[in-house]
Amino acid sequence: SYVLTQPPSVSVAPGQTARITCGGNNIGIKSVLWYQQKSGQAPVLVVYDDSDRPSGIPERFSGSNSGNTATLTISRVEAGDEADYYCQVWDSSSDHVVFGGGTKLTVL
Amino acid sequence: QVQVVESGGGVVQPGRSLRLSCAASGFTFSSYAMYWVRQAPGKGLEWVAVISYDGNNKYYADTVKGRFTISRDNSKNTLYLQMNSLRAEDTAVYYCARDRVAAAPKYYYYGMDVWGQGTTVTVSS
Repeated sequence: SYVLTQPPSVSVAPGQTARITCGGNNIGIKSVLWYQQKSGQAPVLVVYDDSDRPSGIPERFSGSNSGNTATLTISRVEAGDEADYYCQVWDSSSDHVVFGGGTKLTVL
Repeated sequence: QVQVVESGGGVVQPGRSLRLSCAASGFTFSSYAMYWVRQAPGKGLEWVAVISYDGNNKYYADTVKGRFTISRDNSKNTLYLQMNSLRAEDTAVYYCARDRVAAAPKYYYYGMDVWGQGTTVTVSS
């Protein structure tokens, strides 16, 4: 089955740029989504189709996808960005939704 | 406004059954595929099942296949998850979510753009 690998944690100072990776075999040919989940809340979609943002999501959130790695980039990080972030794809080979293990973003 | 609201969670003994419901409003429910996603305490998100907009295509995670059944009633704007033979490892918050694309091809799923607040299932003797 298809596996997505994320670093367990990423730390960044306010105002800096955070990059969260999502590794998968040839993930560049898949469409990647990213979700933000703050403590005690339901997940929120922040990026879809590798790099598009739903309405209401700040431009500070961006995504890219190539080769074996997709990346969520958060520019000018704020304290309110502290959350768990999950990548996700649809694996057509197995007809399964696949989530990455999640990355905890800590704002120092 | 567009929303989905889960219900039906509770405490249940191992081996017993439980049915979750998800009431949708603010959008044309019959046009969207729907998902169940769960999250065990302190763990990450785990996909459970997805159903096409018309209910004719259903896919399940390996961990629940054969025990859980996803279904929908488009006349009632409601999604269901029938959970049988429950195990301790099924303990989680269960989320209902909407597919991002209306009337999508039934062989492809576009991810989740509307999530409920979740309902908690605890399997314990």
